[in-house]
Amino acid sequence: QVQLQESGPGLVKPSETLSLTCTVSGGPISSYYWNWIRQPPGKGLEWIGYVDYTGSTNYNPSLKSRVTMSLDTSKSQFSLNLISVTAADTAVYYCARRVSSHWPFDYWGQGTLVTVSS
Amino acid sequence: DIQMTQSPSTLSASVGDRVTITCRASQSISIWLAWCQQKPGKGPKPLIYKASSLESGVPSRFSGRGSGTEFTLTINSLQPDDFATYYCQQYDTYPITFGQGTRLEIK
Repeated sequence: QVQLQESGPGLVKPSETLSLTCTVSGGPISSYYWNWIRQPPGKGLEWIGYVDYTGSTNYNPSLKSRVTMSLDTSKSQFSLNLISVTAADTAVYYCARRVSSHWPFDYWGQGTLVTVSS
Repeated sequence: DIQMTQSPSTLSASVGDRVTITCRASQSISIWLAWCQQKPGKGPKPLIYKASSLESGVPSRFSGRGSGTEFTLTINSLQPDDFATYYCQQYDTYPITFGQGTRLEIK
């Protein structure tokens, strides 16, 4: 059974960088699209972007100037960096898998809450 | 971006009821629509993909229909475990976008 687990600091100061890692177990990290999605408290879901098995990326234009994603196949991990954070970036961050470009999310992590506050 | 609009935002129903949630896209997305279920404090659980295909392990009381811009999720004979929030999501065009959610609550 494929499992995804997010990890990283739960508290980040304004203007600093939010960094999260998703560890994939129970299946290969190659040949898939690895995504980040976030959900502000009490609100809906926002797709942040993906990194695929070749290392290619695609980001939501609303966050593109601040986001970087990367893949480490040797550790079965992929990561998210979001720079210059503000309180509006406070959210539960999920990692999720897609089989291909025209495919929805089939496995999700449990999510990790990141609070932006001084 | 493609806007996804769900209705209703909140739905009150009883165990055993049949309910339908609607999702409309701001432009045609063919059949590239998925539904997922979310419970408090948990990650979303995929239910349906390609508008009407059931994910493995999802009970057959869940069904999806539609194409183009209008889609529905129907739950027959509601069970206690079904009370949750439901989201539609389009994956036809980037950025992937979600509906605002429909909260299904016990009447």
